[in-house]
Amino acid sequence: KAGVTQTPRYLIKTRGQQVTLSCSPISGHRSVSWYQQTPGQGLQFLFEYFSETQRNKGNFPGRFSGRQFSNSRSEMNVSTLELGDSALYLCASSLAGQYEETQYFGPGTRLLVL
Amino acid sequence: GDSVTQMEGPVTLSEEAFLTINCTYTATGYPSLFWYVQYPGEGLQLLLKATKADDKGSNKGFEATYRKETTSFHLEKGSVQVSDSAVYFCALSDSDYKLSFGAGTTVTVRA
Repeated sequence: KAGVTQTPRYLIKTRGQQVTLSCSPISGHRSVSWYQQTPGQGLQFLFEYFSETQRNKGNFPGRFSGRQFSNSRSEMNVSTLELGDSALYLCASSLAGQYEETQYFGPGTRLLVL
Repeated sequence: GDSVTQMEGPVTLSEEAFLTINCTYTATGYPSLFWYVQYPGEGLQLLLKATKADDKGSNKGFEATYRKETTSFHLEKGSVQVSDSAVYFCALSDSDYKLSFGAGTTVTVRA
């Protein structure tokens, strides 16, 4: 089975621009979560989607948004980029999003904001 | 809220040495506990997990036991190899559909 895929792998943007990142979960997985990883803040939860519904959202400003499509693929969008948004954005999928399930991570999208 | 505290690194060891990384947690419910590993330039890989008290997770020579009485999930390996050099993250998942991670511990194994 193919793993979680994320596109693009690397991205360079300038302040004020917006960006859309894409995540394709493992086939059959219906839950997709997004995390931000930075050297200073570590791994922080952004949001989780299941069957196109956002079930939980982390403590991030409204500039960060996401959605999930009927095929479980997910996108996250960051508008009005700031320098501090430079990070590795990780997507993870699980079968049904239950707390005891393993979340499988993609390789991440590395975003650099100049 | 839920939180995970893990041993600060970096940790530097010689090959065949014993590795322990301490992890303690705070949670309101009965969380599942995980150890993930991250190699340079990659995403996170599940190393092992435990879903209830006294469960022992094991994989690739690594072990961790879910201790409810001490709210701990310490990672151990008896004899490390250079290939074990990576960043290790302790994490918990409760009923709110997210993983809460510790800060990560960088482990370097010297030949």
